[in-house]
Amino acid sequence: SAVISQKPSRDICQRGTSLTIQCQVDSQVTMMFWYRQQPGQSLTLIATANQGSEATYESGFVIDKFPISRPNLTFSTLTVSNMSPEDSSIYLCSVDEGQGNSGNTIYFGEGSWLTVV
Amino acid sequence: LAKTTQPISMDSYEGQEVNITCSHNNIATNDYITWYQQFPSQGPRFIIQGYKTKVTNEVASLFIPADRKSSTLSLPRVSLSDTAVYYCLVGNMYSGGGADGLTFGKGTHLIIQP
Repeated sequence: SAVISQKPSRDICQRGTSLTIQCQVDSQVTMMFWYRQQPGQSLTLIATANQGSEATYESGFVIDKFPISRPNLTFSTLTVSNMSPEDSSIYLCSVDEGQGNSGNTIYFGEGSWLTVV
Repeated sequence: LAKTTQPISMDSYEGQEVNITCSHNNIATNDYITWYQQFPSQGPRFIIQGYKTKVTNEVASLFIPADRKSSTLSLPRVSLSDTAVYYCLVGNMYSGGGADGLTFGKGTHLIIQP
């Protein structure tokens, strides 16, 4: 499976600031996704990062708050903008290595733990 | 949308076999069933995937009845390190299933005791 690296792994951020999380994959992948996991909760899909085009956001998430870049098939960034304490979460980059003849097989990075104070 | 239902929590003991069942009554023809394991402060880890009947790998077995409306993840001879949250996902975005195969429910908190 692909090796997924995220930076930063952990950060403490001031309210009102923005932070960009980087995700690097060691091989070219078609599908990349960003998830959020708030403390004690399950994972929530934020968006699909599309290479060369705008990300596809899930209900409840908007580009102004979570701008995403995907300049190539191995790299993506997620920015959490104008942060508030409610944005304190683990943000997870993931890739799908499923094939057209099988379902989704998702692999995750170790996550970026953000605490907003 | 193929939604899933799992028990919120389960307890077992070291050395026992643990079976976690997931209900997915409205699974679509092209949907696959995939299970993930998550330890605290880590991203989920893929365990096993199946479409029908039985699938086995070095970690677990997945049993899927003929009607595919449920599935059971079987963990043989569990140890303390199997304490984790286990998620069942159903879907297939490659066949137009949208984000179903990417949607995590609440999962099952499995606690293994000595």
